Amino acid sequence: EVQLVESGGGLVQPGGSLRLSCAASGFTFSSYWMHWVRQAPGKGLLWVSRIHTDGTSTTYADSVKGRFTISRDNAKNTVYLQMNSLRVEDTAVYYCARGGAFGSHDYWGQGTLVTVSS
Amino acid sequence: DIQMTQSPSSLSASVGDRVTITCRASQTISSHLNWYQQKPGRAPMLLIYAASSLQSGVPSRFSGSGSGTDFTLTISSLQPEDFATYFCQQSYSTTSFGQGTKLEIK
Repeated sequence: EVQLVESGGGLVQPGGSLRLSCAASGFTFSSYWMHWVRQAPGKGLLWVSRIHTDGTSTTYADSVKGRFTISRDNAKNTVYLQMNSLRVEDTAVYYCARGGAFGSHDYWGQGTLVTVSS
Repeated sequence: DIQMTQSPSSLSASVGDRVTITCRASQTISSHLNWYQQKPGRAPMLLIYAASSLQSGVPSRFSGSGSGTDFTLTISSLQPEDFATYFCQQSYSTTSFGQGTKLEIK
C-alpha cells in the first residue's frame, strides 16, 4: 500500500525557517517524481515544488523561488522541503504527492500544517 | 503561466442527478488535464488523468472529456459520498490548479 506521511509543520514567526519531511513507503520511491502542494485555510490548491527521481532537477512556483528548497534522500525514501524567510502568506497545509501519469499526482499524504504568525 | 478557470464555483444537486463541471485553460494544454476530489479535512484524491482516463479504483460514474482548452468532469448519478470539492489541474506546463467547484446537497 502506498503511503506518504508528512511531518515537521508547526508555528513559526515571520522570517523563520522550517523543514518538512515526507516519508514514503509501499512503492519504489527512487522511480517517481515527488511534489509539494499547499492549501491555505479555506482556499484552493497551489503547487509549490517538484523534484526529479534522482534529485538532479527541481522546479519551484514563483511565490517560493529563492526561499524554499526541495530535496530527497532515496536511501531513506524521504522528500524534504526546506522553507526559509517564511511569510504570513505561506500559512497552509502542505501536502507531499507522488508524480503519476500525465503529470498527475496519484497519491497524497495527509498534510502538515504550517502557521506563520507573530 | 497557464490559468485554469472552473465553472461553476459552487453547485447544488440531489442524489441521483447528473452533474457536469467545466474547466477552461488560458491556452491549449492538449489532454494534460487531471481532476481531483477533496473532502473536508482530507487530502485530494485523483479521479481522472489525461482528460479522460479513470484512475484505478474510482467508480465508473465519474468521467472526463475534452482537449485543447475546454474540459468537463461528469458524474452520471450523484451518490451521497460525492458531495465534495473538485479541482482540475493542468500538467502541460509545470502545473496549476483551478480554483475548485464545491458540490453541495440540494
